[in-house]
Amino acid sequence: DARVTQTPRHKVTEMGQEVTMRCQPILGHNTVFWYRQTMMQGLELLAYFRNRAPLDDSGMPKDRFSAEMPDATLATLKIQPSEPRDSAVYFCASGLRGRDTEAFFGQGTRLTVV
Amino acid sequence: KNQVEQSPQSLIILEGKNCTLQCNYTVSPFSNLRWYKQDTGRGPVSLTIMTFSENTKSNGRYTATLDADTKQSSLHITASQLSDSASYICVVSGGSQGNLIFGKGTKLSVKP
Repeated sequence: DARVTQTPRHKVTEMGQEVTMRCQPILGHNTVFWYRQTMMQGLELLAYFRNRAPLDDSGMPKDRFSAEMPDATLATLKIQPSEPRDSAVYFCASGLRGRDTEAFFGQGTRLTVV
Repeated sequence: KNQVEQSPQSLIILEGKNCTLQCNYTVSPFSNLRWYKQDTGRGPVSLTIMTFSENTKSNGRYTATLDADTKQSSLHITASQLSDSASYICVVSGGSQGNLIFGKGTKLSVKP
């Protein structure tokens, strides 16, 4: 069945290391979102792509975070260098019709930076 | 400031009972409002989406209401089941840039 696939599911890394999270959106979806979820802040939108073009990444700390879509089947979120405050669950979601679309979420990547 | 507030923060009910979760928002202009269910360790799953003109929408045992005048929404769960134990997140789309504004969720626990 169609689903958003994220890898890895869990990642533990040391402060200062580079972290790359990957997402395979549902085939045919042209909108991809990256979200971060913490207990304190809940869900926060980090970046939003439509047709592989980044339309909004205002929620993302630009100095260390970067998001790309090398092709229609892969979205990546990279943190370099990682910090303990980046520890969170990172979700990728995809949809059909832009920012206002119903978003289908992946299982998330649980990141722990020690 | 565009905000979405949910209450209660957490709720415990007995299996078979009904419950109502609340969402108040200050987002303007308003586009739509969604309720998501998030099981522990999983991504959120959409339950309902409501636009300005809709005031009730049902999805099985879930019924969402929207009062655009008072900027309030509720999610009513009928005859709760153990599998309803999850966090329920209210998301409002709107604001000057069409952003998604998330509530922090209500954590529901259904006990046998």
